[in-house]
Amino acid sequence: GAGVSQSPSNKVTEKGKDVELRCDPISGHTALYWYRQRLGQGLEFLIYFQGNSAPDKSGLPSDRFSAERTGESVSTLTIQRTQQEDSAVYLCASIPDSNTEAFFGQGTRLTVV
Amino acid sequence: GDSVTQMEGPVTLSEEAFLTINCTYTATGYPSLFWYVQYPGEGLQLLLKATKADDKGSNKGFEATYRKETTSFHLEKGSVQVSDSAVYFCAEYNNNDMRFGAGTRLTVKP
Repeated sequence: GAGVSQSPSNKVTEKGKDVELRCDPISGHTALYWYRQRLGQGLEFLIYFQGNSAPDKSGLPSDRFSAERTGESVSTLTIQRTQQEDSAVYLCASIPDSNTEAFFGQGTRLTVV
Repeated sequence: GDSVTQMEGPVTLSEEAFLTINCTYTATGYPSLFWYVQYPGEGLQLLLKATKADDKGSNKGFEATYRKETTSFHLEKGSVQVSDSAVYFCAEYNNNDMRFGAGTRLTVKP
């Protein structure tokens, strides 16, 4: 596709439910990042994938958060037993190769009620 | 791990004022450095970048110079406009690791 695609664009869920967020990176981009942006706040690093290497999960805030990526394709971020504090915009970015520009998706706005 | 520290906001300026947003990084070696901008209601987009020491990135009247000796990449603009109101993020990319600063919200008043 032309850019990084994220779905859904908006998600409202009840507290305690599980949600799955999807990111389709630009084809051929080796690196993929997930960030969280709470209202009025900066970018909070969650996890990144680089090719077939083990992902860097150091930013995941709790064991309720997990993410997967198969090769250099789609990634899914799963949040189990959602809490109100999980409400935020979840951003995905992909990068073609070393030290070049990151391309961001439009994000998924998650609201936990 | 590596980190990026940028000036805390919010920053409020009058139109035509001079802007500086400070940014320092911790990565060793020679990371690439970036400024991204997020306009209200929009996604993040690249504003400018520099990939080696002493390089100057520039775009839309904004400039930033890669200073290896001070590990800094401060963003400047000589005369801001109302349309520059946005959140600005400094970022470093080194060894397949991209890190962002917390963001600085800029509001320019007419």
